Amino acid sequence: QSALTQPPSASGSPGQSVTISCTGTSSSVANYNYISWYHQHPGKAPKLIIYEVTKRPSGVPDRFSGSKAGNTASLTVSGLQPEDEGDYYCSSHGGLSYVFGTGTTVTVL
Amino acid sequence: EVQSVESGGGLVQPGGSLRLSCAASGFTFRSVWMAWVRQGPVKGLEWVANIDQDGIVTNYLDSVKGRFTVSRDNAKNSLYLQMNALRADDTAVYYCARDSGWGAHDYWGQGTLVTVSS
Repeated sequence: QSALTQPPSASGSPGQSVTISCTGTSSSVANYNYISWYHQHPGKAPKLIIYEVTKRPSGVPDRFSGSKAGNTASLTVSGLQPEDEGDYYCSSHGGLSYVFGTGTTVTVL
Repeated sequence: EVQSVESGGGLVQPGGSLRLSCAASGFTFRSVWMAWVRQGPVKGLEWVANIDQDGIVTNYLDSVKGRFTVSRDNAKNSLYLQMNALRADDTAVYYCARDSGWGAHDYWGQGTLVTVSS
């Protein structure tokens, strides 16, 4: 499977919202509800922040929300905070494998 | 506390071999699928392989099939990745990750760097 497509960068001021898209195909996004999102700080391991399109693991703030429409999944970070800077990756699980997105670097201005 | 610690990375020549290890703690290792995910400078995050609880079912990224082998030792709470016939495009940080059962990886190790270069 080909990598899912994300915009290279996104930015917002503290308190604002930013939305990141993740575009695939019917065989990678539209037909699956195993869409997840990860946040990665430089030099650190990715951290799971959204799974099954909309669900948040325990401890993840409700400022993070996920959605999906057709072949595109989206992550919205509301009320941006400085610690939200970093790289964000989407992922899809279908069949026997996983595919990740190309990654988006979020900057808090 | 859930923790995974990878080891075994390093510099290897093209065509060489390496064996990565991952020591897990803080959860019931024998009850979960485990995976290897890598992050290279060009391709970004890339799922490499996973293995079921009993070490019987394995799945691989097409580009590593026949070269990499994932295995586990539940008695030692350890996951392994044997990598043979290494190529330059295998250069990456390799992470050991726990499969959450929800189509996601909920805990990751800190990673170990593999560099394939002459």
